[in-house]
Formats: sequence, structure tokens, C-alpha cells
Amino acid sequence: EAQVTQNPRYLITVTGKKLTVTCSQNMNHEYMSWYRQDPGLGLRQIYYSMNVEVTDKGDVPEGYKVSRKEKRNFPLILESPSPNQTSLYFCASSLADGYTFGSGTRLTVV
Amino acid sequence: SQQGEEDPQALSIQEGENATMNCSYKTSINNLQWYRQNSGRGLVHLILIRSNEREKHSGRLRVTLDTSKKSSSLLITASRAADTASYFCATVRSNQGGKLIFGQGTELSVKP
Repeated sequence: EAQVTQNPRYLITVTGKKLTVTCSQNMNHEYMSWYRQDPGLGLRQIYYSMNVEVTDKGDVPEGYKVSRKEKRNFPLILESPSPNQTSLYFCASSLADGYTFGSGTRLTVV
Repeated sequence: SQQGEEDPQALSIQEGENATMNCSYKTSINNLQWYRQNSGRGLVHLILIRSNEREKHSGRLRVTLDTSKKSSSLLITASRAADTASYFCATVRSNQGGKLIFGQGTELSVKP
């Protein structure tokens, strides 16, 4: 089944403790992206990648890192999480038209 | 920054009625897409309409695009309780590759 898999689905962590949210797609898509969704602010793009080893900042990249060492994986790294990064995160991939989204990761930073 | 503005923000209808949601955007686009999101879950791609298309159908969905007014509408016919969800329009700008920019969404509630 074609899908984007994110892990974990839920995560509660403490301020400053590094974490990684994994994202993997099995559709051989070149384009991958991370979004965060917050009430009243909608979905905002954090980072995106046009292909392996090619990443670029989205609208809200501060406090996040990504890597794209292989086509299928696009992890989101929070080196020193802060409470304002509490959010619902989505990974998505696309070949040409239409995105496929993961199920989301609900992150709480206390 | 958000590209699209959906209207209305919330819509409540009875099962069997039609639901119409509108979306406006600000810049030139390659295509416009509609997504559905059930509460707290991932977004599901519904339909894509290209800038050179005016209308598109998929099952009970009908999408129109008016590039002169920079607006689109999503019509769901004969709605069902299972259609209850948030609906988002998203645009791909002409000069920004595949970047998808979302509107704030319309919350649709279909009462049985």
C-alpha cells in the first residue's frame, strides 16, 4: 500500500531534549515536506526536499533540522525542543500532483 | 504565509443536502488542490484542478476554478454524516516548484 509513515504518533518530551520524528515513503517520490498545524495558524511548511541531498527552508524553519540521505526517508530533528514547538506535525511526499500525507505526530514539549 | 482563504469557516448541514465551500487565493498558481482532514488526522487528497481547467468532477465532488477571480469552490453533493471533516484548499504557486500553501480550512458538519 502506498503510504507515508511517521513515527511516533504521540510524543511528550521535556525542553531541551533532542528528538527525531521519522518519516518514510514507499512511493519513490522525489519531493518531501514537513508541516506543522496549529489552531488559528493552519498548516505551515517547515522544510522541504526536492530530492536526495537537496533540502530547503519553508516558512517556519527555526528550531528544526532535516536531512535527506536517501529518497524514502526525511527525518525531522529538533535539537533543543521548546514549548512553542508543541504542535501537530505532518510529513508529506509528492511525485507530481497531489500530496500524500502521513498520519501525523502530536508533539508536546513541557 | 497562508495563500488561500476558505469561506465559510464552518458549515453545518443535514444529510442529503449539498455543501459548498469557497477558496480565494492571491498569486498565480500552477494548480489548486482540495484536501480533507478528519479530526487530528492526516490530510487526504481529494481533487486537483490545473490553472487551465475550469471544472472537475470526482464522484460526489465538483470543483470549479476561476483564475480571473482567483477563486475556487468545492461542492459536495448529497452529503453524508461521514463527510464531516475539515476541508482545505491548497495552491501550488507558479514560481515555487511543488510548495503547497494551505488555507485555513472549512469545518463541515453533516448531521444525520
